[in-house]
Amino acid sequence: NAGVTQTPKFQVLKTGQSMTLQCAQDMNHEYMSWYRQDPGMGLRLIHYSVGAGITDQGEVPNGYNVSRSTTEDFPLRLLSAAPSQTSVYFCASSLQLTVRTGELFFGEGSRLTVL
Amino acid sequence: AQSVTQPDIHITVSEGASLELRCNYSYGATPYLFWYVQSPGQGLQLLLKYFSGDTLVQGIKGFEAEFKRSQSSFNLRKPSVHWSDAAEYFCVVGGYNNNDMRFGAGTRLTVKP
Repeated sequence: NAGVTQTPKFQVLKTGQSMTLQCAQDMNHEYMSWYRQDPGMGLRLIHYSVGAGITDQGEVPNGYNVSRSTTEDFPLRLLSAAPSQTSVYFCASSLQLTVRTGELFFGEGSRLTVL
Repeated sequence: AQSVTQPDIHITVSEGASLELRCNYSYGATPYLFWYVQSPGQGLQLLLKYFSGDTLVQGIKGFEAEFKRSQSSFNLRKPSVHWSDAAEYFCVVGGYNNNDMRFGAGTRLTVKP
């Protein structure tokens, strides 16, 4: 029962470096999303996707890119990391966009530190 | 604009004691409401949800929550806390779609032996 798998779990970057956070789900979910979690602020939506080839911006999209070439994978790219992107990142998926079709399943998170 | 407030950042209760975590929301229509739990080093797990109907909702692990429209609240309760309930709890308010969900800042629960 893999569910939602995120890699890496921990990463340290220097300012200006690029990296990709990987997210994969094996539940054939159409909806996938990325959140960041910062102290005292709960989770905020970065980007989301409602199916292969379709992505859209969430609440805090600046500095992040996403793509969805397959149903299973939804990578998050940081093109030029900044200290403000130090956070814990969560990938989540659900059967469809509408909440009534099923719950959100979360990965275990990726802790990113930008020096 | 929709928002959700969890007034208590940190709560400590003794094992076996009752628990109530507060949640207040602001939303233009009848919201969809959720409680999620995040155990240390883990992702978030859905405890319970409210869409419509009976305002007292039962969830997993013995938790329940009550929707009070007049008070714009959705408080989470458990009659007897276990040490394994130590975690962070998030109240979430949203609309029809998953991308509409707004998370509260969370309440961290510590359980004393």
